[in-house]
Amino acid sequence: DTEVTQTPKHLVMGMTNKKSLKCEQHMGHRAMYWYKQKAKKPPELMFVYSYEKLSINESVPSRFSPECPNSSLLNLHLHALQPEDSALYLCASSQDQGWQINQPQHFGDGTRLSIL
Amino acid sequence: DAKTTQPPSMDCAEGRAANLPCNHSTISGNEYVYWYRQIHSQGPQYIIHGLKNNETNEMASLIITEDRKSSTLILPHATLRDTAVYYCIVPSLITGKLIFGQGTTLQVKP
Repeated sequence: DTEVTQTPKHLVMGMTNKKSLKCEQHMGHRAMYWYKQKAKKPPELMFVYSYEKLSINESVPSRFSPECPNSSLLNLHLHALQPEDSALYLCASSQDQGWQINQPQHFGDGTRLSIL
Repeated sequence: DAKTTQPPSMDCAEGRAANLPCNHSTISGNEYVYWYRQIHSQGPQYIIHGLKNNETNEMASLIITEDRKSSTLILPHATLRDTAVYYCIVPSLITGKLIFGQGTTLQVKP
């Protein structure tokens, strides 16, 4: 069991659909992250939120739109995705995005997304 | 950002110690070494991290060489459930980003 909860676990959508992925943590963490993981590849960072503000965007296409409505929730809004966007989307959180880097990130089990 | 190098795969007999090496020769004095693992179909799981001293927790031990250019993760009594991809990561001091390499696929065999 993880302390970072992601919903849904699986999602199949067409290229014209709009959907959202949700991530929730109740550890009081103030930094939250989205990663994308293609099959048999390591996770790649997409976005970082620190204190509910977007801190890092790794040049992700605009069809992916993150949102952090409060310190416990992180959403990833999806629109007009392409088949190559099919992947496992992982959410993580840490105490903060501090400079000391003495704080591990805790990951959810991801949403497996398939684009038809 | 410090780059890490790990062997792509290793085998270990069940009940024996698994020793997973990592090279991070460009690590700077204030950078931590982190280990995560990813079991199939799950998210990465934090294992342990360290700066200079050896560390131990309920999951594993981390041995860091004196010059800090390499480290070894030790699973003292490997079980079949320890079969996973193990990632050695040195997070960026500037951004805190985790950059995952290819990791080591550990196969624990009965």
